Amino acid sequence: VQLMQSGAEVKKPGASVKVSCKASGYTFTGYYIHWVRQAPGQGLEWMGRINPNSGGTNYAQKFQGRVTMTRDTSFNTAYMELSGLRSDDTVVYYCARSPIVLAGTWYFDYWGQGTLVTVSS
Amino acid sequence: QSVLTQPPSASGTPGQRVSISCSGSSSNIGTNTVNWYQQLPGTAPKLLIYSFYQRPSGVPDRFSGSKSGSSASLAISGLQSEDEADYYCAAWDDSLNVFVFGTGTQVTVL
Repeated sequence: VQLMQSGAEVKKPGASVKVSCKASGYTFTGYYIHWVRQAPGQGLEWMGRINPNSGGTNYAQKFQGRVTMTRDTSFNTAYMELSGLRSDDTVVYYCARSPIVLAGTWYFDYWGQGTLVTVSS
Repeated sequence: QSVLTQPPSASGTPGQRVSISCSGSSSNIGTNTVNWYQQLPGTAPKLLIYSFYQRPSGVPDRFSGSKSGSSASLAISGLQSEDEADYYCAAWDDSLNVFVFGTGTQVTVL
């Protein structure tokens, strides 16, 4: 099982960024893909998840209206797009996999390597 | 500010047992399962414990998890130098409708 993320990005404030997460080694549509972010030296923050089978999403309220999670089952790839970038969006973004179960029993058994997004004018 | 509180640091000498607490509430740990993740410097988190005490294959049985009420704990027995890392608890919160991570604990092997 591997989750391979796209490379580092540098964006200007107000711009958007789209990070990809390519899955291999398992049935892509059989597991949720979650997005978790981490500011330098800080803790982990869950952003939301997508069901690659249905395309259904569930976003953390903090990111509602700014984040869009999509997938392309032809390429076994999930995407996370964040708009209206601010300086505090300068963090590492991770994708992670969980079984398709109730939220109360989620766990993330495989993670991508992380993508650093730097927001700077 | 996370709703799952962990001590910022813990330490021990090689071979000792170290325990890390994770304090939550009835809307998260009290109702839902808890996971523990290990994050080595500069790397992605790794799942250590899920559903309170289950270990994924490949995780040594030196790592164990438990729950009591609205709190959970991770114990590392036979501490080794490679256990130096940050450790996070995590659970779904029914009130906030968000998956929450703990504040994190940095483990140092003296």
